[in-house]
Amino acid sequence: NAGVTQTPKFQVLKTGQSMTLQCAQDMNHEYMSWYRQDPGMGLRLIHYSVGAGITDQGEVPNGYNVSRSTTEDFPLRLLSAAPSQTSVYFCASSYSRDGTHNEQCFGPGTRLTVL
Amino acid sequence: GEDVEQSLFLSVREGDSSVINCTYTDSSSTYLYWYKQEPGAGLQLLTYIFSNMDMKQDQRLTVLLNKKDKHLSLRIADTQTGDSAIYFCAEKTGGGADGLTFGKGTHLIIQP
Repeated sequence: NAGVTQTPKFQVLKTGQSMTLQCAQDMNHEYMSWYRQDPGMGLRLIHYSVGAGITDQGEVPNGYNVSRSTTEDFPLRLLSAAPSQTSVYFCASSYSRDGTHNEQCFGPGTRLTVL
Repeated sequence: GEDVEQSLFLSVREGDSSVINCTYTDSSSTYLYWYKQEPGAGLQLLTYIFSNMDMKQDQRLTVLLNKKDKHLSLRIADTQTGDSAIYFCAEKTGGGADGLTFGKGTHLIIQP
């Protein structure tokens, strides 16, 4: 298994540009989520999905859209990038063993800079 | 609301034990996790503990949970240079898949 993969690894955008961060997993995990990591802030949840066709907002959803058309893929879209979205973005996926426990596997991250 | 607190830095000598502490506020936490992040890398799950346990040991790692005080600790025995990383405490509350709440991370610095 490749686990959780993310592309691109690095990206530089100008303010107002749009882009999509890709995330894919091959473990047949139901649950997928996006976090952003900022210095001194830990990880904060942006959006998550409990299965294909179902998404919901996390702690910091503004400026981001997601969709989940397949179990494998969970892209994160920035419609109009802002400097405040400069961050490292992590995608995670997880399975449920007993309905309450989700062991999350993380991708390697995408480092995004918005000028 | 949910909050997870950790010290930002811990410095230990190689070969000593490291103890990284974490406090959380949500009493409905079901699982608590420790993740390791090496420079430029993603997060690696080290270990986790269910909220009805008070201790879990896995090789050099010992997790202690004091549910009454909402205090979690990670002890790394015989700390090595390869243990240098940022360690994140995280909690999972209730059921469902609404993600984890992370602390800000503790940067473990190993002195030779």
